[in-house]
Amino acid sequence: QKEVEQNSGPLSVPEGAIASLNCTYSDRGSQSFFWYRQYSGKSPELIMSIYSNGDKEDGRFTAQLNKASQYVSLLIRDSQPSDSATYLCAVGATVGGGNKLTFGTGTQLKVEL
Amino acid sequence: GAVVSQHPSWVICKSGTSVKIECRSLDFQATTMFWYRQFPKQSLMLMATSNEGSKATYEQGVEKDKFLINHASLTLSTLTVTSAHPEDSSFYICSARHPWTGNTEAFFGQGTRLTVV
Repeated sequence: QKEVEQNSGPLSVPEGAIASLNCTYSDRGSQSFFWYRQYSGKSPELIMSIYSNGDKEDGRFTAQLNKASQYVSLLIRDSQPSDSATYLCAVGATVGGGNKLTFGTGTQLKVEL
Repeated sequence: GAVVSQHPSWVICKSGTSVKIECRSLDFQATTMFWYRQFPKQSLMLMATSNEGSKATYEQGVEKDKFLINHASLTLSTLTVTSAHPEDSSFYICSARHPWTGNTEAFFGQGTRLTVV
């Protein structure tokens, strides 16, 4: 069983629409949650972090966390073609005294003109 | 965000040779850095945790004698792929935790595309 699961996509949305990306995780002890954006051939770029239940907004991005359901999501409002990328969900937990990130396989987002 | 620089960004080497990849935190000190490997269409797989001044901690299935990690200073960690083979061709990415973020958020270097021929 995968520890962090994401739908691989591609998720296609028209320009200006809201893109909704979802992620579930298996470790109930997870304490930190992140969304990274990765363009093809590039390394991941941190775009959102969330640590407590509820919503966290930053510009066009909103992260939502529900620890009871072991679910974290990312909403992108007013999607732009430049948002087309793979979005990686990462979950952090303390393992052996250290903090370890586990990544999902990513969801490919395509924003169409 | 914090800046992590990785060098080189790409390298082609002959089978059997060794390749060294550097990861530097430019504007902060990182006691811990991480090395990941990413194959096409797959997610990042943690290879090892690099600790300044001590031995690296390797993930299960990663050969420590093949992937040598040295974290000699608070701003530099190196990964050496020894006796590289074509199956080692991959995208290698380092990351560092910024102390101001409570050592939770990770900032990534640009990645190194390794091709072994």
